[in-house]
Amino acid sequence: DTGVSQNPRHKITKRGQNVTFRCDPISEHNRLYWYRQTLGQGPEFLTYFQNEAQLEKSRLLSDRFSAERPKGSFSTLEIQRTEQGDSAMYLCASSLLAGGKNEQFFGPGTRLTVL
Amino acid sequence: KQEVTQIPAALSVPEGENLVLNCSFTDSAIYNLQWFRQDPGKGLTSLLLIQSSQREQTSGRLNASLDKSSGRSTLYIAASQPGDSATYLCAGSGNTGGFKTIFGAGTRLFVKA
Repeated sequence: DTGVSQNPRHKITKRGQNVTFRCDPISEHNRLYWYRQTLGQGPEFLTYFQNEAQLEKSRLLSDRFSAERPKGSFSTLEIQRTEQGDSAMYLCASSLLAGGKNEQFFGPGTRLTVL
Repeated sequence: KQEVTQIPAALSVPEGENLVLNCSFTDSAIYNLQWFRQDPGKGLTSLLLIQSSQREQTSGRLNASLDKSSGRSTLYIAASQPGDSATYLCAGSGNTGGFKTIFGAGTRLFVKA
């Protein structure tokens, strides 16, 4: 098991462009989470999936953001028409909900810079 | 609405000192309380998870406790080492309104050699 992986690790884009990030969770994990983190703050919840179903989405997530998890495996997070305020670290985590335990394991993150 | 607060925001201690990091939360209907470590520019590493039915968990020099009635969790680090320098984050996930996880802003720890 290689843990949670995220690609790309860094992305620099111009304002107004679309970007897509990928997350590959730990293989047997049924839950997958996306977070955004800015400097000096804790991660901020964006959305999560149980298998392929998107169960919750933060109200902070504008309609420019969309996430998918086809077939309950990897997930993608797309940001359309990027803005400078979207610059942040985007973190993915996965977990296996079982027996009252939902321990989340994080990937290394994708750092987005919008110029 | 769950809110998580961590005190202190930053802490500098000499090597070998025992220390306590504090985490408070507003919604006692908490499912899991998880402590993480984050090194600069990196992802989060899970340290300890306490289920709602548990009071504490231990791993090596780390001990985390959970008191749901007072809305508090503490992370105790024994015999601190320079390698412990990092940001420590606590996160609560609840079973009201789904399993959304709320993080505190973290405590930045610096252990001086």
